[in-house]
Amino acid sequence: QKEVEQNSGPLSVPEGAIASLNCTYSDRGSQSFFWYRQYSGKSPELIMSIYSNGDKEDGRFTAQLNKASQYVSLLIRDSQPSDSATYLCAVIANRDDKIIFGKGTRLHILP
Amino acid sequence: GAGVSQSPRYKVAKRGQDVALRCDPISGHVSLFWYQQALGQGPEFLTYFQNEAQLDKSGLPSDRFFAERPEGSVSTLKIQRTQQEDSAVYLCASSLAASRWVNEQFFGPGTRLTVL
Repeated sequence: QKEVEQNSGPLSVPEGAIASLNCTYSDRGSQSFFWYRQYSGKSPELIMSIYSNGDKEDGRFTAQLNKASQYVSLLIRDSQPSDSATYLCAVIANRDDKIIFGKGTRLHILP
Repeated sequence: GAGVSQSPRYKVAKRGQDVALRCDPISGHVSLFWYQQALGQGPEFLTYFQNEAQLDKSGLPSDRFFAERPEGSVSTLKIQRTQQEDSAVYLCASSLAASRWVNEQFFGPGTRLTVL
């Protein structure tokens, strides 16, 4: 089992709809979780960080964390074409304090 | 203010050549990270500096990889005797805090290394 798993996509979502991106992780003791957005040919930029179970909202973005089920998700409301990018899930592994990135999910917002 | 800068942006090397990749972090940032991102993959952690001290180099894939940050600012990642499997984008990131995961990491644009 890979340490951080994401569906590589592409995930196609109509403009204005909700995009739902999911990530699972294997290290049960992990405490810190991040979502990064990476446009093609560009570097990652932090979208959200989440540390506690539940939801965290920031504008059109909501991160959801469920430590018991070991998954973290990102919801993007009112999707815009500019949201088309690869979304990387990252987890700080508890056992060795390392950051582990998933492969990323490619999101395509259909105009 | 200026963000993280990296140079060169693109590097083509023949197999066996040595390369040096430079990172200029945001001024005042204590923590500096190097990552390797292969095509279609997420970044993989290589090494971490707190000021000039290299506190974690566990992600360096072999002893051909060496990183330094002698004055606690600019950092150089050196790869000796490059191999084709070293072809990737090398990302540098910096953050303000000494505690490495506390603050947001700001990534540079990366250096795309192609080894022929």
